[in-house]
Amino acid sequence: AQKITQTQPGMFVQEKEAVTLDCTYDTSDQSYGLFWYKQPSSGEMIFLIYQGSYDEQNATEGRYSLNFQKARKSANLVISASQLGDSAMYFCAMRADNQGGKLIFGQGTELSVKP
Amino acid sequence: KAGVTQTPRYLIKTRGQQVTLSCSPISGHRSVSWYQQTPGQGLQFLFEYFSETQRNKGNFPGRFSGRQFSNSRSEMNVSTLELGDSALYLCASSLGPTGKHYEQYFGPGTRLTVT
Repeated sequence: AQKITQTQPGMFVQEKEAVTLDCTYDTSDQSYGLFWYKQPSSGEMIFLIYQGSYDEQNATEGRYSLNFQKARKSANLVISASQLGDSAMYFCAMRADNQGGKLIFGQGTELSVKP
Repeated sequence: KAGVTQTPRYLIKTRGQQVTLSCSPISGHRSVSWYQQTPGQGLQFLFEYFSETQRNKGNFPGRFSGRQFSNSRSEMNVSTLELGDSALYLCASSLGPTGKHYEQYFGPGTRLTVT
């Protein structure tokens, strides 16, 4: 069975600083994808970044980067130069490549950016 | 390009009633997945449709059902509503169920309240 664990229910970061949101996963599948989504208070899930299990380089998308350590089964999200608009819930999710569109989500981390 | 749309955005129903929620995917996307989000259980996968066929189903009772039309629009139905069905229902669309680069884009959700 697949499982995603996010151990930080809430985090604070000062504006313009970098922050790391932790995510560990458990799966017996060899081919899978890892995702991060942002959910503002409005409720919509916004796709941030994707990392494939066979990708050798860590994924980056603008201010977002994914620190992928396959042996440790971790996929931490790093947000550089935090902005006030980054305040939201962040969810880590995984999908086995043989499971179509089925995403397994963690419990989320609530990030608050302080001015 | 228009995003994923969900209607209605808010809904209040009484126990025992049934409800139908609608999701229109991004133009060209053929896969639609549904998720339930509650404070207690977090985000849980309901089902996925591709080319009008259900490809995957989560662990929900038979009261939860769905379908997909030839234009890729999808509906989900919940019969005999219970208080515990109160949740944010999110729909996600993607190009298709295969391939490594399978990005799912979510709609704004339908917030269902059962009284």
